[in-house]
Amino acid sequence: KAGVTQTPRYLIKTRGQQVTLSCSPISGHRSVSWYQQTPGQGLQFLFEYFSETQRNKGNFPGRFSGRQFSNSRSEMNVSTLELGDSALYLCASSPGQEAGANVLTFGAGSRLTVL
Amino acid sequence: GQQVMQIPQYQHVQEGEDFTTYCNSSTTLSNIQWYKQRPGGHPVFLIQLVKSGEVKKQKRLTFQFGEAKKNSSLHITATQTTDVGTYFCADFLRGSTLGRLYFGRGTQLTVWP
Repeated sequence: KAGVTQTPRYLIKTRGQQVTLSCSPISGHRSVSWYQQTPGQGLQFLFEYFSETQRNKGNFPGRFSGRQFSNSRSEMNVSTLELGDSALYLCASSPGQEAGANVLTFGAGSRLTVL
Repeated sequence: GQQVMQIPQYQHVQEGEDFTTYCNSSTTLSNIQWYKQRPGGHPVFLIQLVKSGEVKKQKRLTFQFGEAKKNSSLHITATQTTDVGTYFCADFLRGSTLGRLYFGRGTQLTVWP
């Protein structure tokens, strides 16, 4: 079956702009998590959605938000971009419930550069 | 908050040598997962360890979970150039939601041919 699909793969924005990233999980997976990866901070948890509900949120400012749709697809938005938001944003899906529910399958990521 | 410390940060080996990365926590881990990220790629799940003292093997890779569930290790025997990448351990916080993992900083493995 198809893996986790993230779009766009690469994007360049300027400070103050906003960006929306999209993620389509593996078919049947109901949990979608988002992670930010930077050389300085490593992999950091942003938030997780399950059945359209945000179940948990990491320690990021309110400029970072997300949502999940009824088909489990998810989007994350970053407003008022800062230089420090430059990172690889990874989406991961998991079944959410059942054995192996916490095993994550990552997408290829969206690499955001803020100028 | 929950932290998993991973060492070493970098490891350079010649092809054929062995490699080990360690993951340590000051608190008891509920389970431990290992992921591999190739250069320019994304993390890929390798294995999950749940039981105290558990040892699992995948070909040349051996994963161990400590008896006290506070540490774990990944050992690669006779490394190959295909083993190049960053290896992460991750902990699933007990009681937390399923998608939230705490990742170590990773060990970046370079293999010289």
